[in-house]
Amino acid sequence: DAKTTQPPSMDCAEGRAANLPCNHSTISGNEYVYWYRQIHSQGPQYIIHGLKNNETNEMASLIITEDRKSSTLILPHATLRDTAVYYCIVYSPGGSNSGYALNFGKGTSLLVTP
Amino acid sequence: DTGVSQNPRHKITKRGQNVTFRCDPISEHNRLYWYRQTLGQGPEFLTYFQNEAQLEKSRLLSDRFSAERPKGSFSTLEIQRTEQGDSAMYLCASSPPGSYGYTFGSGTRLTVV
Repeated sequence: DAKTTQPPSMDCAEGRAANLPCNHSTISGNEYVYWYRQIHSQGPQYIIHGLKNNETNEMASLIITEDRKSSTLILPHATLRDTAVYYCIVYSPGGSNSGYALNFGKGTSLLVTP
Repeated sequence: DTGVSQNPRHKITKRGQNVTFRCDPISEHNRLYWYRQTLGQGPEFLTYFQNEAQLEKSRLLSDRFSAERPKGSFSTLEIQRTEQGDSAMYLCASSPPGSYGYTFGSGTRLTVV
């Protein structure tokens, strides 16, 4: 899998948008960008994924640059319950280099403050 | 609750003992994965099953580790002769056919003393 680079930590005020960046400059054409988050003492939770186009669901929006070398996860109105570690993962299901494993890295620890 | 279920939630064992964990995936999910997570690190892949076939194993899965999914439903992960370095959270995840969006369980926290 292509490796990703994320800031180790970020703060965000409750009610504001949280913008979490991710660099994946070596991503290949068939690799998707996935985002998961992990709230303390729980298993990771799938948030969103995309290939080229921007994506939005009920949890978040994913903005992928045109060259696909970076992306941003946007939580539009962060709440205290969004405090978690956020993982950006590039992944090609069944790809020759990655098989079926997700490479989580260390992620970004997001703290949402009142 | 139709999520991924893992048992036990916590396990404390003495070094050298064998332990077994169980994972019950979401019923229609044919893919099942095991991950391990140590403090301050992201989850690390251990192994992957599609139905009952174990299709991929990580280098992390030493000879002391074995995983099974005998009927393509629940899975077990056994660690023999546990060592202190095995202390970690063991996470199970599943996904349905045609999708790679995993659903994770809450994990089994193993402490080897």
